[in-house]
Amino acid sequence: DVKVTQSSRYLVKRTGEKVFLECVQDMDHENMFWYRQDPGLGLRLIYFSYDVKMKEKGDIPEGYSVSREKKERFSLILESASTNQTSMYLCASSFAGGQGATDTQYFGPGTRLTVL
Amino acid sequence: AQSVAQPEDQVNVAEGNPLTVKCTYSVSGNPYLFWYVQYPNRGLQFLLKYITGDNLVKGSYGFEAEFNKSQTSFHLKKPSALVSDSALYFCAVRDKGNGNTPLVFGKGTRLSVIA
Repeated sequence: DVKVTQSSRYLVKRTGEKVFLECVQDMDHENMFWYRQDPGLGLRLIYFSYDVKMKEKGDIPEGYSVSREKKERFSLILESASTNQTSMYLCASSFAGGQGATDTQYFGPGTRLTVL
Repeated sequence: AQSVAQPEDQVNVAEGNPLTVKCTYSVSGNPYLFWYVQYPNRGLQFLLKYITGDNLVKGSYGFEAEFNKSQTSFHLKKPSALVSDSALYFCAVRDKGNGNTPLVFGKGTRLSVIA
């Protein structure tokens, strides 16, 4: 069964702290993604990765960085957390290849981050 | 550029009635289309997808969606709604000719099924 796990379901941090959100998938997927979800704005892509040590900016990368040292793990880093980064963060993964049958993205349960 | 629109923020339907959640898309070539559902405090779950072939796609939990190329639509439907279908629904699209690019998601439609 497909599984994407995220390190925390709920997280509370203070302004200025460095925050690490971890995502692990066990499906040997090449692609991994980080989104944030806010009411009325839907899902917005922050960063994605097609392979180990590769990263691509999404629509809203400012204030975030990522790390992919191993195929199964994709980390999102908030260098200096701010209150406007309070959100739900969703990780996803998928196979590569650009073929429709392999494009399904599988999501983790999400991390609700609150920055005070 | 690729984009997807879900014109309704909220859809209310009585239990047992048919439901429709609307989605329209824009791509330069041919689309791959997806529907996902999100229950409270959960991640997104895959429901169904259109890749090619039959325009009517059947998915999980009795849902189906119809691909209409002339209207650039991919509406989600179910013949008889259940209270347990109440959730947030997302449509997503990807242009077939765009290589290995991420899906683009709509803003979501909240479905409320009333007993």
